[in-house]
Amino acid sequence: DTGVSQDPRHKITKRGQNVTFRCDPISEHNRLYWYRQTLGQGPEFLTYFQNEAQLEKSRLLSDRFSAERPKGSFSTLEIQRTEQGDSAMYLCASSLPLDYEQYFGPGTRLTVT
Amino acid sequence: EDQVTQSPEALRLQEGESSSLNCSYTVSGLRGLFWYRQDPGKGPEFLFTLYSAGEEKEKERLKATLTKKESFLHITAPKPEDSATYLCAVQPPGYKLSFGAGTTVTVRA
Repeated sequence: DTGVSQDPRHKITKRGQNVTFRCDPISEHNRLYWYRQTLGQGPEFLTYFQNEAQLEKSRLLSDRFSAERPKGSFSTLEIQRTEQGDSAMYLCASSLPLDYEQYFGPGTRLTVT
Repeated sequence: EDQVTQSPEALRLQEGESSSLNCSYTVSGLRGLFWYRQDPGKGPEFLFTLYSAGEEKEKERLKATLTKKESFLHITAPKPEDSATYLCAVQPPGYKLSFGAGTTVTVRA
């Protein structure tokens, strides 16, 4: 069990550029979640997948954000036309089909300059 | 809307000085309450899940308890390696977690 992995760990981009993050869940975990965390705050839910189906999206997820999980394995989160307010830690988590515990990856730290 | 409030925001302890962290919550239909530990620059690390009032769980120097309105995380005889931010989260029906802002614990040797 190698845990949830995320790539890249750090990303610095200029305002207006597009960025894409990848998450690889723990094997056999069919649920995958994306959260965003800003300094001094707890993680905020963005979206969640069960297998390849995106079942819930937060109001925080504007039209500039899109997430996919094409084959029910890894997932990508894309942010288009980045803004300075998008600077945050983007966390991915996964869980087993019948469990509620979510296991988090190390996160991708995004800095928009 | 689900609400989770953690107190205090920060806690400085001497090694061996036991203390408690509080997590008060309002949620429509609690499925579970979760405690996580987060080290700087890392993702949250799962500690406990509590499902019903009266439930208690322990792991090394940590003990979590749950009532209908709040949860406590007790740290007994802490060591410097217990220094971290402790996050509380609630899960209503569904699968998303709603987190509090966390309590940052610093344990001095």
